[in-house]
Amino acid sequence: EVQLVESGGGLVQPGGSLRLSCVASGFTFSDPWMDWVRQTPGKGLEWVGRIKNKRSRYTTEYAASVKGRFTFSRDDSKNSLYLQMNTVTAEDTAMYYCARGGAPPIHAFDLWGRGTMVTVSS
Amino acid sequence: DIQLTQSPSFLSASVGDRVTITCRASQGIGSSLAWYQQKPGKAPNLLIYGASTLQSGVPSRFSGSGSGPEFTLTISSLQPEDSATYYCQQFTADPRTFGQGTKVEIK
Repeated sequence: EVQLVESGGGLVQPGGSLRLSCVASGFTFSDPWMDWVRQTPGKGLEWVGRIKNKRSRYTTEYAASVKGRFTFSRDDSKNSLYLQMNTVTAEDTAMYYCARGGAPPIHAFDLWGRGTMVTVSS
Repeated sequence: DIQLTQSPSFLSASVGDRVTITCRASQGIGSSLAWYQQKPGKAPNLLIYGASTLQSGVPSRFSGSGSGPEFTLTISSLQPEDSATYYCQQFTADPRTFGQGTKVEIK
């Protein structure tokens, strides 16, 4: 089955750290660029950033709201994507989704995980 | 950042109605626009990419049109399972911004 499964969410204190994972199956994980998108409870969607593939040297891009605090990485041998969250604040409370960038000409996120919830609270 | 403004934010329509949602971009994005459907407790699901290309497996009652700056998502004959929130997203530049969403309710 083609799918993405996130894990690692939970309750974290302000200023703390958390590492999210996203495991892929059913497709060649090393090919696509992978993105993270978050959604605050009852609100809309916010793009968090992207990590490209090996061919593109695993280049990363970050939303301004997380730059310098969040770090993306991937291990193609484990079909896994990671989001390291540091110095979190209440504004980082959200459902976090990993999403697959579609192969051209599909310029869109054509596969999403179910999400993992992160709650920042003391 | 490119801003996407969807209208309306909420609409209520009957089964069989034709429904149109608009997404306006703050600057030119060509045809680099996608539409997603999100049901409660679920991840978004890709409906349309490239402004007008239907994603594989998506019912043909969904269609997209337009080019920067105004785009539309049309449901030709609303079905009960179409009750959801719909988002547009631009793929021209980072950050890959989303519209604020349009909630579609079935009367």
